[in-house]
Amino acid sequence: EIVLTQSPVTLSLSPGERATLSCRASQSVSSSLLAWYQQKRGQAPRLLICDASSRATGIPDTFNGTGSGTDFTLTISRLEPEDFAVYYCQQYGSSPWTFGQGTKVEIK
Amino acid sequence: EVQLVESGGGLVQPGGSLRLSCAASGFIFNDFTMIWVRQAPGKGLEWVSDIASDGDSPHYADSVKGRFTISRDNSKNQLFLQMNNLRGDDTALYFCAKDADDGIGFFDYWGQGTLVTVSS
Repeated sequence: EIVLTQSPVTLSLSPGERATLSCRASQSVSSSLLAWYQQKRGQAPRLLICDASSRATGIPDTFNGTGSGTDFTLTISRLEPEDFAVYYCQQYGSSPWTFGQGTKVEIK
Repeated sequence: EVQLVESGGGLVQPGGSLRLSCAASGFIFNDFTMIWVRQAPGKGLEWVSDIASDGDSPHYADSVKGRFTISRDNSKNQLFLQMNNLRGDDTALYFCAKDADDGIGFFDYWGQGTLVTVSS
């Protein structure tokens, strides 16, 4: 099973700042089959990024995914008030599909 | 508009059973793999089970294997999760999710979840 470790656990930033979230895999993720999700309090997760770098439908270009192999990054170029949430990475390159433990982006 | 609506959660004693349902609409249900993901209170997301579009090839997390059974009724656009021999660590919000394709492995739509509480 591929273990995904996200860092930092919590990121305290101000609106307008840049957020950089990391997701590290315990072994290489096949074909960069990695997704990112956003979850706001009391809501279901929302797909942001698939295939490590492809934005899902309707996701603004302030969200960018990069990476390959074992190291992946989600960058939010300029935080809007609605971007403060918990973010999860998920690999689907090998079974079982696994999630990271999440990074909370909070208002500083 | 894609909609996924879960139901069937509740309070159950350890060792008990529950059957979760997910009603799907707004897409061709029998074209897509469907998934159950759970989230324990204050914790992260955990994939629980998935089932292919044709109802074959179910997969389960080790934590639920032998206790949970996933199924679907393509004629009624419904997904199910039969949960037996429930334990305290099964307490969670259970989400139904739609695969972006038939087994591709990431999830483009989610329901709002149904809460399962296992406690005496």
